[in-house]
Amino acid sequence: DQQVKQNSPSLSVQEGRISILNCDYTNSMFDYFLWYKKYPAEGPTFLISISSIKDKNEDGRFTVFLNKSAKHLSLHIVPSQPGDSAVYFCAASDGPGTYKYIFGTGTRLKVLA
Amino acid sequence: DVKVTQSSRYLVKRTGEKVFLECVQDMDHENMFWYRQDPGLGLRLIYFSYDVKMKEKGDIPEGYSVSREKKERFSLILESASTNQTSMYLCASSGQGARTQYFGPGTRLLVL
Repeated sequence: DQQVKQNSPSLSVQEGRISILNCDYTNSMFDYFLWYKKYPAEGPTFLISISSIKDKNEDGRFTVFLNKSAKHLSLHIVPSQPGDSAVYFCAASDGPGTYKYIFGTGTRLKVLA
Repeated sequence: DVKVTQSSRYLVKRTGEKVFLECVQDMDHENMFWYRQDPGLGLRLIYFSYDVKMKEKGDIPEGYSVSREKKERFSLILESASTNQTSMYLCASSGQGARTQYFGPGTRLLVL
């Protein structure tokens, strides 16, 4: 059973608007979350992280929100740019003693110029 | 900057061949990982290593083995390649106590 789910396989957004990518998880023991961006034929690039002791983390145009009660996190990109077009993966880890992550299936974002 | 390199970007092999995928990181990271990425399935962990000569199975280790003789190098071995091992293989590393993994560019393997 998929413990980390990205239910939207794709998303299209106009340049300059907000992109919201969603991720749901089932394991309440997950305490650290990462977002990666991946271009075709390249490895994933780390984007932003959030610990379960926070509900928001911001880095430039990227903000991640965590709702622990709903077991839901989202990545907001504002404003969206054509260069943001990529596949985005969320990943979750269940404790500082392990470095294993469970990855979602990814959401393909297309930012239209 | 962390640099993770993988020996090949593209590989074509025949069924039954033994395949070696090499990964090298230059940041003295203790932890190294091998994933495969398939459409609709995301990234799935094959094996990982916390230290030299140490390895642990991930979620899909069947048909694979690994070797870590030096801290900077982590090899993935397909003992007898099969067509269902056609995939994108990604290596990653992270430092001790660090929660972020850094990925290499990937190796796209085609098994005919």
